[in-house]
Amino acid sequence: GENVEQHPSTLSVQEGDSAVIKCTYSDSASNYFPWYKQELGKRPQLIIDIRSNVGEKKDQRIAVTLNKTAEHFSLHITETQPEDSAVYFCARNSRPGGSYIPTFGRGTSLIVHP
Amino acid sequence: NAGVTQTPKFRILKIGQSMTLQCAQDMNHNYMYWYRQDPGMGLKLIYYSVGAGITDKGEVPNGYNVSRSTTEDFPLRLELAAPSQTSVYFCASRPGTGYEQYFGPGTRLTVT
Repeated sequence: GENVEQHPSTLSVQEGDSAVIKCTYSDSASNYFPWYKQELGKRPQLIIDIRSNVGEKKDQRIAVTLNKTAEHFSLHITETQPEDSAVYFCARNSRPGGSYIPTFGRGTSLIVHP
Repeated sequence: NAGVTQTPKFRILKIGQSMTLQCAQDMNHNYMYWYRQDPGMGLKLIYYSVGAGITDKGEVPNGYNVSRSTTEDFPLRLELAAPSQTSVYFCASRPGTGYEQYFGPGTRLTVT
């Protein structure tokens, strides 16, 4: 299938806590898994991505893990801050007609309470 | 670089009217995309292009048309606007190498 299932749809945490968002997919040919952050009224912006030949990638407080066998990948944010509040989208590339095109999850609204 | 630009920022259309959403990028990217984003939903791919003169349908192409006569521009055409096309439209581009997409600021379209 083409879908990407993203959970949870809403995540509320206290400042300083960790947040984890998970996405599952069903396309073994997917090779690229980005995460985008979208603040209210703004455009989506890439925050981290991972290729299919890597299991984990970290960038300061943000990490992404990929399990290709189980076909799921997750975003981990540690030491959350109020400015992390936004909608986060996962995506993965598929190749239905020869060119890689992305399919997005429905998004997770992260709320970080000060 | 201006990156990816979109015009207009906002538009209200009456049912049955037509309009063109403009998208341009100055990064010499081969790939360009049009998405729509409905409230509480992710991004749905409408059309995409892998280079000048080449376009292809995405997940939700009905009611839309595109053209790609130059590398820089990728306009999206709505011929007979319907209320179901009320949405925020994002254009994006990426280089031929690498997969990161660069998004424009979006166009908020309301059809009444």
